Amino acid sequence: AQSVTQLDSHVSVSEGTPVLLRCNYSSSYSPSLFWYVQHPNKGLQLLLKYTSAATLVKGINGFEAEFKKSETSFHLTKPSAHMSDAAEYFCVVTPFGNQFYFGTGTSLTVIP
Amino acid sequence: EAGVAQSPRYKIIEKRQSVAFWCNPISGHATLYWYQQILGQGPKLLIQFQNNGVVDDSQLPKDRFSAERLKGVDSTLKIQPAKLEDSAVYLCASSLQATGVTYEQYFGPGTRLTVT
Repeated sequence: AQSVTQLDSHVSVSEGTPVLLRCNYSSSYSPSLFWYVQHPNKGLQLLLKYTSAATLVKGINGFEAEFKKSETSFHLTKPSAHMSDAAEYFCVVTPFGNQFYFGTGTSLTVIP
Repeated sequence: EAGVAQSPRYKIIEKRQSVAFWCNPISGHATLYWYQQILGQGPKLLIQFQNNGVVDDSQLPKDRFSAERLKGVDSTLKIQPAKLEDSAVYLCASSLQATGVTYEQYFGPGTRLTVT
């Protein structure tokens, strides 16, 4: 069975401080993993993806994520939060083909 | 490159009425998806098309929901009759054809449906 657990439903950080959004997955196969961001009233935008190449993946807007097979984790990080990072973030696992399994989302608030 | 287009952006209907949503995927994308996103939840796959054939519709409530993708391009999702619990954002996404390779999905802006 495939599933994704986003460990925090809401994260609040101050502008300029690091961001950590946590994601654990369960998959019967070697998965591909994605992070998407959703700003209010906007569609989902791809931040980054892991597809069995380098375990440290760099994405857009300074975000990166590290695939750790031993911990079944794919946490999203950014060294310094910006006000424009405030949004909903979704971790996605796809064990094969293009069947996407979404987490429940983490809402990021950035405090000025 | 133009993105995934969806219309309408917003729709308000009464329960038991019918509604239809339209999606135009990115040119050249053979795979098209419809998702339902209820407030506070992640998107849930309703149906997946490969060209004009259905790959997966296991989570589509077939007694009231239907979808088609004529000529392997545009797609329409219909709800008839609508229930209060159908209130959600309906997202359309597309990707390159999956053949042993995982491609990212590109999402449209969604249609926000409110059923009263």
